[in-house]
Amino acid sequence: AQTVTQSQPEMSVQEAETVTLSCTYDTSESDYYLFWYKQPPSRQMILVIRQEAYKQQNATENRFSVNFQKAAKSFSLKISDSQLGDAAMYFCAYIAGNTPLVFGKGTRLSVIA
Amino acid sequence: DSGVTQTPKHLITATGQRVTLRCSPRSGDLSVYWYQQSLDQGLQFLIQYYNGEERAKGNILERFSAQQFPDLHSELNLSSLELGDSALYFCASGAGGYEQYFGPGTRLTVT
Repeated sequence: AQTVTQSQPEMSVQEAETVTLSCTYDTSESDYYLFWYKQPPSRQMILVIRQEAYKQQNATENRFSVNFQKAAKSFSLKISDSQLGDAAMYFCAYIAGNTPLVFGKGTRLSVIA
Repeated sequence: DSGVTQTPKHLITATGQRVTLRCSPRSGDLSVYWYQQSLDQGLQFLIQYYNGEERAKGNILERFSAQQFPDLHSELNLSSLELGDSALYFCASGAGGYEQYFGPGTRLTVT
């Protein structure tokens, strides 16, 4: 079964600094998608960034970028120029074929002013 | 705003009762997914519907059932409620690909 592991339950970062959240996954599929979702205190699940496994280029969305290492099954999220509004739970997620979206347990990010 | 709507936002009910949660997907999306997020837990997939038909089933209890109607909205029915069913229930929709867009969730409290 596919699994997603986020080894950092909590992280903190100073405002304007850069932070990297880690995610590893286990799969035997060759074609799949990876996502990072943000869940702020409002509890809304917000799609931050996605990566197709067949693409070698790392996805980027404004201040958010990923480091996708397919061989290592690693998918980390880098947040640059951290802002107070980035404080949230971040979930890494995986999906392939007909499987449901599988989530990691999340990393709680605090941003220090 | 993801375009996915869920009602009600909050629901408080007693053990043994039955409730219905409602979800309207984004315009054009045929797939609806239901997830449960318990306190300090990740999201657990419950069930998926695609264009009115059940597509995939996760860890959904027998006390829970769902359906998707011809207008594509979906309802999740929870019966014989227990204290442990208290959670945030999310609906997500997708166009049939891999991206899923989440609604704001329904917070269920069972007392």
